[in-house]
Amino acid sequence: EDQVTQSPEALRLQEGESSSLNCSYTVSGLRGLFWYRQDPGKGPEFLFTLYSAGEEKEKERLKATLTKKESFLHITAPKPEDSATYLCAVQANTGNQFYFGTGTSLTVIP
Amino acid sequence: NAGVTQTPKFQVLKTGQSMTLQCAQDMNHNSMYWYRQDPGMGLRLIYYSASEGTTDKGEVPNGYNVSRLNKREFSLRLESAAPSQTSVYFCASSELGGSLEQYFGPGTRLTVT
Repeated sequence: EDQVTQSPEALRLQEGESSSLNCSYTVSGLRGLFWYRQDPGKGPEFLFTLYSAGEEKEKERLKATLTKKESFLHITAPKPEDSATYLCAVQANTGNQFYFGTGTSLTVIP
Repeated sequence: NAGVTQTPKFQVLKTGQSMTLQCAQDMNHNSMYWYRQDPGMGLRLIYYSASEGTTDKGEVPNGYNVSRLNKREFSLRLESAAPSQTSVYFCASSELGGSLEQYFGPGTRLTVT
């Protein structure tokens, strides 16, 4: 069964304190792994797509990496505006469905 | 370019009432999706439409029906609302086959009393 697990559930960081969020997945064949940011009361906002192990993508203070079993979202020198819930999703190459994790709630303290 | 729009933004229903949630996208995407988001459960797929004229069940379809009205619009209907359907509902769209990222609407917050 296709499954996505994110850890930790919640993370509090001081401004400037770098850290990583984890997304572990089980899927029959990976078509793509996706990272989203969700602010309170809003819909998820797309950040990255990763397709194969070893791939990396960066956007400002965020860097996503992918292995055969997990993905990491590295946050370098975070700022308070990076506070949000970060969601991970996978899509198997056998269908059109996306499977989401429950997210990591990130709080960056000034 | 509005992206994905949803109406209404908020709704309160009594048990047994019916309603339709509307979704439209202006990105010329072929695939559209309906999710519900509950605390601690993450986003769960209700129904999706890979292309105009097709619809398929997702993980939690019971109690819901959908209509892909045209390429732009995908509606979700609750025929007889139940308190268990209290949730935030999101519509999303993506390119054909869903092999690329999804774009989400702002959500509809539904309460069933």
